[in-house]
Amino acid sequence: AQSVTQLGSHVSVSEGALVLLRCNYSSSVPPYLFWYVQYPNQGLQLLLKYTSAATLVKGINGFEAEFKKSETSFHLTKPSAHMSDAAEYFCAVRFFSGGYNKLIFGAGTRLAVHP
Amino acid sequence: EAGVAQSPRYKIIEKRQSVAFWCNPISGHATLYWYQQILGQGPKLLIQFQNNGVVDDSQLPKDRFSAERLKGVDSTLKIQPAKLEDSAVYLCASSISWVFTEAFFGQGTRLTVV
Repeated sequence: AQSVTQLGSHVSVSEGALVLLRCNYSSSVPPYLFWYVQYPNQGLQLLLKYTSAATLVKGINGFEAEFKKSETSFHLTKPSAHMSDAAEYFCAVRFFSGGYNKLIFGAGTRLAVHP
Repeated sequence: EAGVAQSPRYKIIEKRQSVAFWCNPISGHATLYWYQQILGQGPKLLIQFQNNGVVDDSQLPKDRFSAERLKGVDSTLKIQPAKLEDSAVYLCASSISWVFTEAFFGQGTRLTVV
């Protein structure tokens, strides 16, 4: 069965430090992968998406993610964290099953950024 | 372009009462989703519509939850009767089609059942 695993429910970094949020997926067919961000009391906003083109995907706010098929991973990175990056981040996978596409989410990683 | 609209933003009800949420997707989006997000968890798909037809409601507790999408545009999700464990944020999302496109989310409705 297809699934999404986000390693680490909480990640804390210093302002200016590298951000690395981990996501592994399980899928029997090539998936489409997404990262969403959720600020308090808000809906989910798309950060970036992988749709089988370039394996390194650049998104908004300086984030990027690399699709590694051999590792079934799609980790999210940002070279230098900003205080405004504090939020919850969700990895999601879209796969084809039962005649239609399904979009499922990981459990999320809460990112804290401290001065 | 207007986003996905949801109402109300917040709702507090007593257990065993009924409640309804409304969603208006982005114009032209054929696919509409309702997700339940319990505090500390990722969104869980409750039901997915393609136009006005249901394509997936496998995780919808059908004894108490119902949803409809009249005329393939806006949608309502109802809970009757509510239980304490239904306390969550209910997110509506839409996408252009069910193919490989991203979903756009509304701000959600936070339901508290007391």
